[in-house]
Amino acid sequence: GAGVSQSPRYKVAKRGQDVALRCDPISGHVSLFWYQQALGQGPEFLTYFQNEAQLDKSGLPSDRFFAERPEGSVSTLKIQRTQQEDSAVYLCASREIGTLNTEAFFGQGTRLTVV
Amino acid sequence: GESVGLHLPTLSVQEGDNSIINCAYSNSASDYFIWYKQESGKGPQFIIDIRSNMDKRQGQRVTVLLNKTVKHLSLQIAATQPGDSAVYFCAENSGGYQKVTFGIGTKLQVIP
Repeated sequence: GAGVSQSPRYKVAKRGQDVALRCDPISGHVSLFWYQQALGQGPEFLTYFQNEAQLDKSGLPSDRFFAERPEGSVSTLKIQRTQQEDSAVYLCASREIGTLNTEAFFGQGTRLTVV
Repeated sequence: GESVGLHLPTLSVQEGDNSIINCAYSNSASDYFIWYKQESGKGPQFIIDIRSNMDKRQGQRVTVLLNKTVKHLSLQIAATQPGDSAVYFCAENSGGYQKVTFGIGTKLQVIP
């Protein structure tokens, strides 16, 4: 596709429910990032993949958060036993090259509301 | 709909005037900087970038200035238009795999 695609655009989950958020990066992009953006705040780093390898998951807030990218393209961010504080926009970004100074392209995000 | 910039600093500018948005970054090892524009309900959109070996870069209606001595970035928008209304974030790439770290955003409001 032309850009980074995320689905669903909106998700309402009951507290305690598990959710899965999908990211389709730009084809051929090596690097993939997940960010969490609370209302009125800047995006906060969650995790990074280079191809299928998850090289950094230091930003994941708890062990309820899990991300995967098994074939080095599509990625899924899973949140188990959702809590109200998980309500945020989850952004995915991809970049063509792993280490050179190039821009990252962001998707429109998935807005998660936990009720 | 909900606003991205409910709690962010706000800059109000008259249409046609120039805007200057400032940003301080923290990591002296960062070597690549980007300005992103985020409209409500959308993801951040690339505006302009600059590498640490430069102190100025110009694009279409936008200029980024980098002062490494005081770790400061600014984004200048010439002849601001209503479509420029958004939240603007500076960001820096750092680390071995170039993680993008966002600064505090600024909400730009253009007054027609």
